[in-house]
Amino acid sequence: DIVMTQSPDSLAVSLGERATINCKSSQNILYSSNNKNYLAWYQQKPGQPPKLLVYWASTRQSGVPDRFSGGGSGTDFALTISSLQAEDVAVYYCQQYYTTPRTFGQGTKVEI
Amino acid sequence: DVQLLESGGGLVLPGGSLRLSCAASGFTFSNYGMSWVRQAPGKGLELVSDITIGSDETHYADSVKGRFTVSRDNFKKMLYLQMNILRAEDTAIYYCARDVYSDNSGYFDFWGQGTLVTVSS
Repeated sequence: DIVMTQSPDSLAVSLGERATINCKSSQNILYSSNNKNYLAWYQQKPGQPPKLLVYWASTRQSGVPDRFSGGGSGTDFALTISSLQAEDVAVYYCQQYYTTPRTFGQGTKVEI
Repeated sequence: DVQLLESGGGLVLPGGSLRLSCAASGFTFSNYGMSWVRQAPGKGLELVSDITIGSDETHYADSVKGRFTVSRDNFKKMLYLQMNILRAEDTAIYYCARDVYSDNSGYFDFWGQGTLVTVSS
């Protein structure tokens, strides 16, 4: 199974500052034939289900604010919140869909 | 609007059984692979099981293989998870999630609100 490891486990960022969450896969998840990274990011606020933010490592889901951006390739990825807002307090998860079983990172808690 | 509504959770004794249901609406259910993802209290996300559009392929996490069975009824727009021989470590919120692809090879674009399963004596 591909193991997804996020860092840090938690981080505190001031309002308006940048937050960066890292995600590392134990195997390459870039498919060479289409040059796509099979990685998604989700946001989970307290008491709510996860919400899709980004797929193909860098494509924002419709309706997601542009302060959220995904990047990286191969085995190393990052989700960046360019200017943290109060409503961004949540746990963020990465997920690979390169191979079965699809696996999630352990989550990163973002606080103010 | 896409909606997924889980039901069937509750308190069950170790060794007992439960059947979870997920009612889908707002999209053509038969065009999408579906999954169950669970979250133990204070923990992360775990893909428990998935099923393709024609029910020809199913997958299970090693932790539930042989005890859980996923099924779907495309006519009724329903997804099910039959859980047998439940253990304390199965205690979690169980989410129904829609896969973007029919063969469960993608990410999850819609999630239900979840149903809580508690296994305890």
